Amino acid sequence: AQKITQTQPGMFVQEKEAVTLDCTYDTSDPSYGLFWYKQPSSGEMIFLIYQGSYDQQNATEGRYSLNFQKARKSANLVISASQLGDSAMYFCAMREVTSGTYKYIFGTGTRLKVLA
Amino acid sequence: NAGVTQTPKFQVLKTGQSMTLQCAQDMNHEYMSWYRQDPGMGLRLIHYSVGAGITDQGEVPNGYNVSRSTTEDFPLRLLSAAPSQTSVYFCASTEPGSGANVLTFGAGSRLTVL
Repeated sequence: AQKITQTQPGMFVQEKEAVTLDCTYDTSDPSYGLFWYKQPSSGEMIFLIYQGSYDQQNATEGRYSLNFQKARKSANLVISASQLGDSAMYFCAMREVTSGTYKYIFGTGTRLKVLA
Repeated sequence: NAGVTQTPKFQVLKTGQSMTLQCAQDMNHEYMSWYRQDPGMGLRLIHYSVGAGITDQGEVPNGYNVSRSTTEDFPLRLLSAAPSQTSVYFCASTEPGSGANVLTFGAGSRLTVL
């Protein structure tokens, strides 16, 4: 079973508009973490934002916010005021503890294209 | 700080050849891991290590070996390369217990097996 699901293979957004990238997860670990990474065409993996399972408030980092709905097991990334430089692949990831050690699991990614 | 350094950046192999992808980090991270990235499949965990002398398998370990003799280095060995191992490989590390435990990635190594 997929532990991290990103159902949008590709998304388009107009420059300066907001966009939401979907992520759902599945885990039985009560103490997990959720991450979003950006991968531009140059290939590097850039950390954007983190949400801990016990965090009461949604995480925010500049134009990025994480819409965390624990009961629905969703962790959607919201990018406000999109810029051309936001065009990239975005990965949702989850850290869970399995057999006493950390494992990080990634989704299949969403390719975002920002239109001028 | 250099962070996580991977070498080589690009490599072409013939089927059956062996090679080692190098990964080194200078952040004194205990946790290190290798992923492969294939189109439409995201990043899949190959092997990981929680400290020197300790390694374990991830989701797709077949055809790959690892060892961890020092905290800094975590090489990935392909013993007999196959075309199915054509991929982009990422090494990543973090320090468990350090708050969010964000994975820091290397720049990636693109491997083509002919």
